Amino acid sequence: GAVVSQHPSWVICKSGTSVKIECRSLDFQATTMFWYRQFPKQSLMLMATSNEGSKATYEQGVEKDKFLINHASLTLSTLTVTSAHPEDSSFYICSATSGGRGPVGTQYFGPGTRLTVL
Amino acid sequence: QKEVEQDPGPLSVPEGAIVSLNCTYSNSAFQYFMWYRQYSRKGPELLMYTYSSGNKEDGRFTAQVDKSSKYISLFIRDSQPSDSATYLCAMSAGSARQLTFGSGTQLTVLP
Repeated sequence: GAVVSQHPSWVICKSGTSVKIECRSLDFQATTMFWYRQFPKQSLMLMATSNEGSKATYEQGVEKDKFLINHASLTLSTLTVTSAHPEDSSFYICSATSGGRGPVGTQYFGPGTRLTVL
Repeated sequence: QKEVEQDPGPLSVPEGAIVSLNCTYSNSAFQYFMWYRQYSRKGPELLMYTYSSGNKEDGRFTAQVDKSSKYISLFIRDSQPSDSATYLCAMSAGSARQLTFGSGTQLTVLP
């Protein structure tokens, strides 16, 4: 149980285009979802926290107009990287929590999406 | 000073060895402690979860928390090549709160 999926698993796009990444909780309702990015051989960096039906809370230094987050339902959150540039190339990972699933405070992670911007 | 410090390694051990991975933290508000395992190009997978000082065992894995010293450990007994991965410690001050991660320790178990 507590499965989180991401789509696509990898994407290559041209500079200036927008890319949408989907995060779904498959067998539970996710009250809160988190978006992270991870550079090679580095730990996860939290980008934003989103709760269903409300605006995402972005971490300091993360441009909310560039990284659009929509948490439209209890099982789906999307991250759209707008006007992507090569420096946005990274591994993007989402996670989800649910008040009724798993130990308190744990997050269940998706498999990640590797974005390469040419 | 980072809230969570973790030796990044890399750590290389022979198959069958006992592995010790450690994290220290400075925030007394942390109540929940987790260890995640991340294989290359994959999302982190929850391995162990504890919320009180002491030991918790699950198969070959033992998680240890010492709140008085602000120190947590993960022990892996009889390590296997399939244990080769990056291990991340993570902590939270409460339910649905953000996790604060260590930098991760890259472990390689040699056959």
